[in-house]
Amino acid sequence: DQQVKQNSPSLSVQEGRISILNCDYTNSMFDYFLWYKKYPAEGPTFLISISSIKDKNEDGRFTVFLNKSAKHLSLHIVPSQPGDSAVYFCAASAGGGTASKLTFGTGTRLQVTL
Amino acid sequence: DSGVTQTPKHLITATGQRVTLRCSPRSGDLSVYWYQQSLDQGLQFLIQYYNGEERAKGNILERFSAQQFPDLHSELNLSSLELGDSALYFCASSVEPGGTGELFFGEGSRLTVL
Repeated sequence: DQQVKQNSPSLSVQEGRISILNCDYTNSMFDYFLWYKKYPAEGPTFLISISSIKDKNEDGRFTVFLNKSAKHLSLHIVPSQPGDSAVYFCAASAGGGTASKLTFGTGTRLQVTL
Repeated sequence: DSGVTQTPKHLITATGQRVTLRCSPRSGDLSVYWYQQSLDQGLQFLIQYYNGEERAKGNILERFSAQQFPDLHSELNLSSLELGDSALYFCASSVEPGGTGELFFGEGSRLTVL
């Protein structure tokens, strides 16, 4: 039972354009959401997070939007840069963001082309 | 560099064998987490230790066990290995037992069971 779903395995975007990565979840108890980025041969690195009390969180070129009624979140990268090419994992937790109970999606591979 | 060190990076072994994966957390981090990533799957939480004590358990098989030592490094023991245990095993660390989900991941140990 995949509680966190990233339905697009891959996404290709031109440099300078907006990248939008999507994530859906089924567990209504999830109240904290995170995005991790992973380069080949490296571990995932934390990118940005959002609590369920907010619907938007911004950090530089990265913005995460949360739509609780639709159980959907998205990561926007503007403008996209070649260095953003990586696999992006959406993760969720229930109970105040307890790290041990992070449920990850299967990832979306983003390729930013010149 | 996340500061989390995992060894070995690659391991090839046969079914029925036993292996030990090692993790050194970031300096100052008391919590260690183990995650498994099988092919085309998200990261699955296995187990968490905080300051030497087991804190939380996920979908960890009975054939698997872990411990955290007084110097805070952790080992994940996998025994009676099966083909399906082939995966990337990540260790992560954080300062707090629960934290805000901002885990720092190692580069992973890739296990291949033949």
